[in-house]
Amino acid sequence: EAGVAQSPRYKIIEKRQSVAFWCNPISGHATLYWYQQILGQGPKLLIQFQNNGVVDDSQLPKDRFSAERLKGVDSTLKIQPAKLEDSAVYLCASSSRGTSTDTQYFGPGTRLTVL
Amino acid sequence: QKEVEQNSGPLSVPEGAIASLNCTYSDRGSQSFFWYRQYSGKSPELIMFIYSNGDKEDGRFTAQLNKASQYVSLLIRDSQPSDSATYLCAVISNYQLIWGAGTKLIIKP
Repeated sequence: EAGVAQSPRYKIIEKRQSVAFWCNPISGHATLYWYQQILGQGPKLLIQFQNNGVVDDSQLPKDRFSAERLKGVDSTLKIQPAKLEDSAVYLCASSSRGTSTDTQYFGPGTRLTVL
Repeated sequence: QKEVEQNSGPLSVPEGAIASLNCTYSDRGSQSFFWYRQYSGKSPELIMFIYSNGDKEDGRFTAQLNKASQYVSLLIRDSQPSDSATYLCAVISNYQLIWGAGTKLIIKP
């Protein structure tokens, strides 16, 4: 079974530029998560999708971050414009149903550096 | 604000000894608890989950949950150098997975 795929693996941009990340979850997984993990901290949930609907985006900085999962499969996360404090690893995860007992499987992450 | 607290470490343990990692959480209504391992530069991977009070064993790993005291722990027996990683505790609170900052574990040969 293929795991969660993410691209790119690394990205370096200057502040005020735009960047987009892509995620393809495990086949058949209904729930997709985007996390931000700053060095030395645990992951912070940015947005959770159930199929193509948003379940939770309470911690997404909506003035600069946006995410979509149009066909209920893969997803993109965009930052526009980027700030220095956005430097982090962006993790995508998926789970089969999104229930409280579901295991989340993580992709390799995208390491973003904002200069 | 729901919180999950872990000692950041590093926790240094000799090879072959028992490593004990602890986590406390603030939401008394939390029902599901997870331990993830994260190697440097890698993504978190699930080690164990526990839902009921008491111990749950899986190979060299034992998760312990005490809901009355609001803590969950992970014991690693016969520690190996390959166990050196950051261990993240995560708790389901209000249907959201809340993460601790992780404890860095170093197993010394």
